[in-house]
Amino acid sequence: AQRVTQPEKLLSVFKGAPVELKCNYSYSGSPELFWYVQYSRQRLQLLLRHISRESIKGFTADLNKGETSFHLKKPFAQEEDSAMYYCALSGTSYGKLTFGQGTILTVHP
Amino acid sequence: DAGVTQSPTHLIKTRGQQVTLRCSPISGHKSVSWYQQVLGQGPQFIFQYYEKEERGRGNFPDRFSARQFPNYSSELNVNALLLGDSALYLCASGITGGGPGYTFGSGTRLTVV
Repeated sequence: AQRVTQPEKLLSVFKGAPVELKCNYSYSGSPELFWYVQYSRQRLQLLLRHISRESIKGFTADLNKGETSFHLKKPFAQEEDSAMYYCALSGTSYGKLTFGQGTILTVHP
Repeated sequence: DAGVTQSPTHLIKTRGQQVTLRCSPISGHKSVSWYQQVLGQGPQFIFQYYEKEERGRGNFPDRFSARQFPNYSSELNVNALLLGDSALYLCASGITGGGPGYTFGSGTRLTVV
């Protein structure tokens, strides 16, 4: 079975502060991990995936297999980062994504 | 180039009725996946189709079915609707059948009354 847990439903920070959105997963094999973002009134869109190891909009995420975590980080949050963030895992089932429940990030001015 | 398009955008149905939702993938994409997103939760996988064949199925009852057409568009059908089927139904398309990074549509909001 595969499971994704995002322990924080809501996260509030001030502009310029560091932000970390937590994601833990349960999967017995070698997973692919993703972060998706949904801005207000927009569709769900891919933010980054662990195998590409790239930084998008200043966000990075490192897969820690020992802690089974894939936390999303940004050193200096911006107001436009306010959105719903979903962590997702692709494992056994061909093309299936398992999503966490999401974290609503609010960046205050 | 158009993104993933879904129709209708909103739908209201009565319990026991049947509903068909439609999805057109990005041109050149051969894989379509369907997800159900209940308010306050993350999307839940329903089906994946690749090259017109079912490649994956989530933990949903047989009332849910889908198909993919030769032009790679897809339909999701739900029979004998229940109040609990009220949700946002998302379609995602991808170039291949494996390895997501899919592009999602805006969804169809289904309300069952």
